[in-house]
Amino acid sequence: DSGVTQTPKHLITATGQRVTLRCSPRSGDLSVYWYQQSLDQGLQFLIQYYNGEERAKGNILERFSAQQFPDLHSELNLSSLELGDSALYFCASKALPVSYNSPLHFGNGTRLTVT
Amino acid sequence: GIQVEQSPPDLILQEGANSTLRCNFSDSVNNLQWFHQNPWGQLINLFYIPSGTKQNGRLSATTVATERYSLLYISSSQTTDSGVYFCLGGNEKLTFGTGTRLTIIP
Repeated sequence: DSGVTQTPKHLITATGQRVTLRCSPRSGDLSVYWYQQSLDQGLQFLIQYYNGEERAKGNILERFSAQQFPDLHSELNLSSLELGDSALYFCASKALPVSYNSPLHFGNGTRLTVT
Repeated sequence: GIQVEQSPPDLILQEGANSTLRCNFSDSVNNLQWFHQNPWGQLINLFYIPSGTKQNGRLSATTVATERYSLLYISSSQTTDSGVYFCLGGNEKLTFGTGTRLTIIP
């Protein structure tokens, strides 16, 4: 058990809808990362937060947004969903900022299916 | 951003064989990890190894930071070793490699 909790485990929704994925980092970890794993794109970095502030952005669509709250949990919001958004979404946490050497700990992912 | 290439993309081996997986980075990295993705999709952390050599049972890893590559060795393969192996590395952004799909045949 990595200590990173993601909910829900599975989500099935229709095109055009909006969903929220939740992540609770390991106790004490200040950095949260989001990744998307789709069949044709591999594991893609979406966005990173450190102590509530956005630190780095990857290939995140404008329809997607995220935030990290004062209690350090994070939410990834996906709107106007398309079939191609079906993927496994991972959250990971790290004790220190990226510039410091420490491992990334991953949750078990949320599997999103858009029908 | 940093490009991460893994080789080989696919590897099929008989149970008991040894294997070497490679990860090349386009630039130097401060963070480097190896993961095994199991059939249920979970990313299992194998090693955090920005430099040097580490061993854990039948698995070991070596990172040569100055030459921007890392190797994962699996000895005496078992069917439970099957799955996809990823390396992850970078500095400001942490990028996954394209993965190596390992299939161990009984």
